[in-house]
This record gives sequence, structure tokens and C-alpha cells, in this order.
Amino acid sequence: GAGVSQSPSNKVTEKGKDVELRCDPISGHTALYWYRQSLGQGLEFLIYFQGNSAPDKSGLPSDRFSAERTGGSVSTLTIQRTQQEDSAVYLCASSLEGSTEAFFGQGTRLTVV
Amino acid sequence: AQKVTQAQTEISVVEKEDVTLDCVYETRDTTYYLFWYKQPPSGELVFLIRRNSFDEQNEISGRYSWNFQKSTSSFNFTITASQVVDSAVYFCALLNTNAGKSTFGDGTTLTVKP
Repeated sequence: GAGVSQSPSNKVTEKGKDVELRCDPISGHTALYWYRQSLGQGLEFLIYFQGNSAPDKSGLPSDRFSAERTGGSVSTLTIQRTQQEDSAVYLCASSLEGSTEAFFGQGTRLTVV
Repeated sequence: AQKVTQAQTEISVVEKEDVTLDCVYETRDTTYYLFWYKQPPSGELVFLIRRNSFDEQNEISGRYSWNFQKSTSSFNFTITASQVVDSAVYFCALLNTNAGKSTFGDGTTLTVKP
């Protein structure tokens, strides 16, 4: 597609439920990143996929968080047993291999009630 | 460890004023990239500029200019003759070339009043 697409744009879930957030990167981009942006704060790195290499999961805040990237394209970020502190905007970005310029999606605003 | 500090949380100016957004970074790497992003109310981050650590030449793009000084580990961003449409949150970020993840500052919220 023309840009990075994220769905849903907004998600309200009850505490304890699992949620899945989806990211469609720009076609041909081999690198994909997930960031979390809490209210009034900067972006917190979560996970990074590059081609077929093992992902860099060093930013995942707990074992309730996991991410997959199927076929080197679409990625799903899963949060299990959501907590209120998980409420944030989750941003996905992608870039060409070897490029330092990342293109961001509009994010998924997650609210845990 | 890497760190990016944007000391100004919020700035408010009147249209046509010049405004400078500060960014100070910390890294042990000798090779890195610095970025500025704009986040308008729509939420999507918009790439503004990228500089690598070997290029300290300042850059001007229209009303935007950037001042990179390795000696003070700063990468400041100036908007000349600000406009209401410049109102947004601006993020400074540092990328280690050996890793994919960027370290972002907490952002500066710029409000330009008519």
C-alpha cells in the first residue's frame, strides 16, 4: 500500500482480555518496528523485525507481549491479559533494508478499562 | 546506553515568531543517526530530517533549519516565521547503526497561536 497501515485505529478492551494489533508495512520494506507511546511521553521501542533474522525483542515490557511477522510482511502484536498500564498508542513503522528512514503508521489507540 | 533529552515539554509562540526546539543526546557509539519527527494531532509521525554522526553541516529546508553540534551532543531544530500549522509534537530520535531501534525523546509540544 501507499503507507503503513495499522488496525484497528482504536481498541477498547476489558482488563484481563487479550488483544491483537495489526500492522501492514509498506510493500517491499523488510524492516518493521513496534513502538508504544504512552500519554504525553515519547516512543518506547518494543520489537524490531529485519527480514528473516530473529527479531530484537529487547523492548517488550513483559512476557504478556509478543509479536509475529508472517511471510516477512504483516505483523501482529499480541498483548495477553491486558492491564490498565497497557493503555497507550501502539505505533508501527517500516523501512527498506539498510535504510535509516522509517515510515510510521497512524497507530492503534488501546484503552484498557 | 542511549538517551535523548528534550528539555522543553511545551512551547507556545505567536505566529511569525521564530522558535528553537532543543535536543541533547547521549551515546557511546561513534556512528549514529539523529532524526526529527513531527507528530500532528492526527497521530502519524512525519519524518523531517536525518543526519549522520559524521556530517555536522547544518541544514536549511524552507522555514526549517537544524544545528548539529557533536561537541555539545546537540541537534537543535529551528522554525523561522512559525505558522499555526506548525503546531504539533516534535520528537528528536537517535539511531544506533548496529541496531534497528531508535531512542526517542519525550517530545516538545509546540503551539503556534494566530
